[in-house]
Amino acid sequence: NAGVTQTPKFRVLKTGQSMTLLCAQDMNHEYMYWYRQDPGMGLRLIHYSVGEGTTAKGEVPDGYNVSRLKKQNFLLGLESAAPSQTSVYFCASSYSNLDQPQHFGDGTRLSIL
Amino acid sequence: AQSVTQLDSHVSVSEGTPVLLRCNYSSSYSPSLFWYVQHPNKGLQLLLKYTSAATLVKGINGFEAEFKKSETSFHLTKPSAHMSDAAEYFCVVSDGSSNTGKLIFGQGTTLQVKP
Repeated sequence: NAGVTQTPKFRVLKTGQSMTLLCAQDMNHEYMYWYRQDPGMGLRLIHYSVGEGTTAKGEVPDGYNVSRLKKQNFLLGLESAAPSQTSVYFCASSYSNLDQPQHFGDGTRLSIL
Repeated sequence: AQSVTQLDSHVSVSEGTPVLLRCNYSSSYSPSLFWYVQHPNKGLQLLLKYTSAATLVKGINGFEAEFKKSETSFHLTKPSAHMSDAAEYFCVVSDGSSNTGKLIFGQGTTLQVKP
């Protein structure tokens, strides 16, 4: 009964390094989302996907790329990490767009030095 | 455009006393509204949702919220706070202008429960 699993849970990077965050869901959900959470700002949508092979930009997409090659996985990439990308990243998924609740992973805490 | 405002960034109550977390929304569409809770170092968990059925919505752990269209509010309440209720709470509105299921989050309210 895993739900939404994010890997890794913690990571420290140096400025300019690259990395990929992995999100996996086992609920056969069509829709997947990547958010970042910063103090006092709630969650802000980075990118999202409405199905396998599709991706779209959210509210704060700059500096990030995503891929949805398989329905169950949604990858978030940082090509050249910057200190402003220090944040907690959450992945979520939902069954459909019809006001279904989103299910969240436990987050990835990322620090960029 | 849709937006949501949580009127208090921090609320402190004593254990056993009522909880009120306030949320106002703005929406061009008939909105769907949610409350999520986030415990420390955890992801967000759905407390309850409103999707144009009954205006009083009951959720998990004794929480409920009332949708008031005339006041554009969706306040979260609980009759008696428990220590385990201490967490961050988010009021959320769905982006009804698109077909994407996107959510718009408030800034969050931290609930402190004192013994």
